[in-house]
Amino acid sequence: DSGVTQTPKHLITATGQRVTLRCSPRSGDLSVYWYQQSLDQGLQFLIQYYNGEERAKGNILERFSAQQFPDLHSELNLSSLELGDSALYFCASSVAAGPGYGYTFGSGTRLTVV
Amino acid sequence: ILNVEQSPQSLHVQEGDSTNFTCSFPSSNFYALHWYRWETAKSPEALFVMTLNGDEKKKGRISATLNTKEGYSYLYIKGSQPEDSATYLCAYGGSQGNLIFGKGTKLSVKP
Repeated sequence: DSGVTQTPKHLITATGQRVTLRCSPRSGDLSVYWYQQSLDQGLQFLIQYYNGEERAKGNILERFSAQQFPDLHSELNLSSLELGDSALYFCASSVAAGPGYGYTFGSGTRLTVV
Repeated sequence: ILNVEQSPQSLHVQEGDSTNFTCSFPSSNFYALHWYRWETAKSPEALFVMTLNGDEKKKGRISATLNTKEGYSYLYIKGSQPEDSATYLCAYGGSQGNLIFGKGTKLSVKP
């Protein structure tokens, strides 16, 4: 157990639907990152939060949104789902926001859109 | 668009062989370079974080070097063991801590 908790582990949903992925960072970590891994693609950076505030944004679609709550857990909301959104979604956390801090990854949420 | 390239894509070695792989990244505005190890059905785990040109890090049989001026890092595994089989990811660190990952090198070590 890495200390980063992601729920659910698996999710199957239909096109057009909306889902919420949840992440609890490792105790003491203030920064949360979301990544998407599609077939044959590397880990694609979506968005970063630090202590409740958005810090950096990657190639996140407008249909996707995220937030970090006062208790530091984070949620990634995916709406109007398309078949191409099927992927493994990882959350990671680090102690602080800065390039020198290593990540601790959660076990991921496997999303299948049918 | 920042690009992190890793080579080779995959590598098959025999137990006991030493091996190395390469990560190339933009040499301008460098902040940090990370290496992660990702075993099948598990999550990526941090191996090294390097921030200075010429940095060398070691963890058991695994070591890494960094050249920020020319934009590359090498990961070495001495005397590969079957348990070293995994995908090795490198990632270029942005100023806020967000990482841009390469696609990884998949290492298979045959007993």
